[in-house]
Amino acid sequence: DTAVSQTPKYLVTQMGNDKSIKCEQNLGHDTMYWYKQDSKKFLKIMFSYNNKELIINETVPNRFSPKSPDKAHLNLHINSLELGDSAVYFCASSPPMGTTEAFFGQGTRLTVV
Amino acid sequence: AQSVTQLDSQVPVFEEAPVELRCNYSSSVSVYLFWYVQYPNQGLQLLLKYLSGSTLVESINGFEAEFNKSQTSFHLRKPSVHISDTAEYFCAVMKYGGATNKLIFGTGTLLAVQP
Repeated sequence: DTAVSQTPKYLVTQMGNDKSIKCEQNLGHDTMYWYKQDSKKFLKIMFSYNNKELIINETVPNRFSPKSPDKAHLNLHINSLELGDSAVYFCASSPPMGTTEAFFGQGTRLTVV
Repeated sequence: AQSVTQLDSQVPVFEEAPVELRCNYSSSVSVYLFWYVQYPNQGLQLLLKYLSGSTLVESINGFEAEFNKSQTSFHLRKPSVHISDTAEYFCAVMKYGGATNKLIFGTGTLLAVQP
């Protein structure tokens, strides 16, 4: 059973398109995240949601819009894709605040051409 | 603000040799410390963590890390590496008692184990 699952695993698209990446966790966690890993493997948090409420927004362009229909899902929608958006996007989840471990999905490799 | 420095971007080592991957952090507040491992084309997996108590923490596959508060370090060590340990290793910190479980990552160290 996959704890944190993302779809798709690979996504190749043209500049200007709109795309979504889906994330689901079956761990019963309250908090979910999106992280971006760039071409140099640097990982940085983008968003955090706690019980469907936005907690962290790390100065991410407005073209990126997370959506959390329920606490088990956190999807990432990207409008007007740019070449610089090419990266690996990781979804993660963690138990309630005060605990510490984050569980990561397998990542979605987005390539904008 | 917290930050994490991993000075070595790549560490080549022969199989069965010992290895140390360095991690230093800076923070004006207490933090939790983590090592995550990323195998090729996979997601991140927690390797070990320091929350409190004994400053030496161990993983199930032979890695250990020691929290050194005076040197603000959390170096990762293994006495004898295997080919299967080849992966990218990320050190991370989390603010103690923060409102969120936000992880701040270092830039990663590629451990390349050669036969």
